[in-house]
Amino acid sequence: DIVLTQSPALAVSLGQRATISCKTNQNVDYYGNSYMHWYQQKPGQQPKLLIYLASNLASGIPARFSGRGSGTDFTLTIDPVEADDTATYYCQQSRNLRTFGGGTKLELK
Amino acid sequence: EVKLEESGGGLVQPGMSVKLSCATSGFTFSDYWMEWVRQAPGKGLEWVAEIRNKANNYATYYGKSVKGRFTISRDDSKSIVYLQVNSIRSEDTGIYYCTRIYNNYWYFDFWGPGTMVTVSS
Repeated sequence: DIVLTQSPALAVSLGQRATISCKTNQNVDYYGNSYMHWYQQKPGQQPKLLIYLASNLASGIPARFSGRGSGTDFTLTIDPVEADDTATYYCQQSRNLRTFGGGTKLELK
Repeated sequence: EVKLEESGGGLVQPGMSVKLSCATSGFTFSDYWMEWVRQAPGKGLEWVAEIRNKANNYATYYGKSVKGRFTISRDDSKSIVYLQVNSIRSEDTGIYYCTRIYNNYWYFDFWGPGTMVTVSS
């Protein structure tokens, strides 16, 4: 099974950069694509797709969000952070079926 | 507009069964693989089950913690996906989300609002 590891929480100031990491225990690259995706979930809401294939912005997502990485190390960056970005962020792999990371709760300082 | 709407949740006694439904609209249901993802109270997301389309022989796959007790199925004529949960346990308590998976890259591009299942006597 592919296991995804995220830090549980991160606190940043408004207007600063937030970097959320996701590490996997197996390579999730396949034929030139990294099968890693990112979601945002606010309390009481369903998750929303932010980034697909490691670095592609989903439709309607502001350019403040970006993703990068390959192999086993991935990051989601929010720059600059706005108040509305307080949420939990999940990574998900689709290289071998589907698994989620444990989530990173983003809070404001 | 793509819409997914789950139903069938509620209070269920341990050991009993429940069948969740997800009605969909706004896309060609038969072309897509469909999934269930759940979330225990205050916890993270857990992938539960997948059913592929006719072109992929309606193959099904399950997360380790539910294999043998959960059954995913679909009715392409009604654009509905189901999740049958048997021998339900307290640890099955949570919100169950129906999701569509994007073909070829397999990320969850649309989610329903979820249905809450509470297991308690």
